[in-house]
Amino acid sequence: AQTVTQSQPEMSVQEAETVTLSCTYDTSESDYYLFWYKQPPSRQMILVIRQEAYKQQNATENRFSVNFQKAAKSFSLKISDSQLGDAAMYFCAYRSEWASGSRLTFGEGTQLTVNP
Amino acid sequence: KAGVTQTPRYLIKTRGQQVTLSCSPISGHRSVSWYQQTPGQGLQFLFEYFSETQRNKGNFPGRFSGRQFSNSRSEMNVSTLELGDSALYLCASSLGQGVNEQYFGPGTRLTVT
Repeated sequence: AQTVTQSQPEMSVQEAETVTLSCTYDTSESDYYLFWYKQPPSRQMILVIRQEAYKQQNATENRFSVNFQKAAKSFSLKISDSQLGDAAMYFCAYRSEWASGSRLTFGEGTQLTVNP
Repeated sequence: KAGVTQTPRYLIKTRGQQVTLSCSPISGHRSVSWYQQTPGQGLQFLFEYFSETQRNKGNFPGRFSGRQFSNSRSEMNVSTLELGDSALYLCASSLGQGVNEQYFGPGTRLTVT
């Protein structure tokens, strides 16, 4: 079974600065997908960014980018120019390529605080 | 396009009772997945329905069940509620074929007393 680990329960960053959230995972599969979701106080889960394991190029979405290290099974999220609205719980998630269905395996989450 | 809706948003039940939660996916989406979120266990996958069939199931007791209707709306039922069932229940919808994004609803907060 796949597992996802986020070793930083809490992180903080100054507004306009850059912060990196860590995620490691364990899998025996070679094809899979990785995601970062954001959960603000409203509890609505929002997809931030996704990475296909077969792609060597790291995904980017505006101020959000990932550092995907397949051999190390590491998938970190970098938030540049942090904004107050980025404050939320961030979850790393794994999805198998071959298993049927849309099942996501989540990490424990990292609570991000943005200080003005 | 309307997002994923879940009803009710908040629910208080007594131990031993049963409860039914509802999820309406985004129009055109055929897959609905359910997750339980608690402070202790985090986000755990319950089950997924696609075209009215359960396609995937997590490691939860048989007290947790679900179904999907022909319009893709889904319900999950928890029988004989326990205190530990208190949680935020999230549903997510997707097209269901290929690896496409899942869109989450706002959740139903269930409190068991």
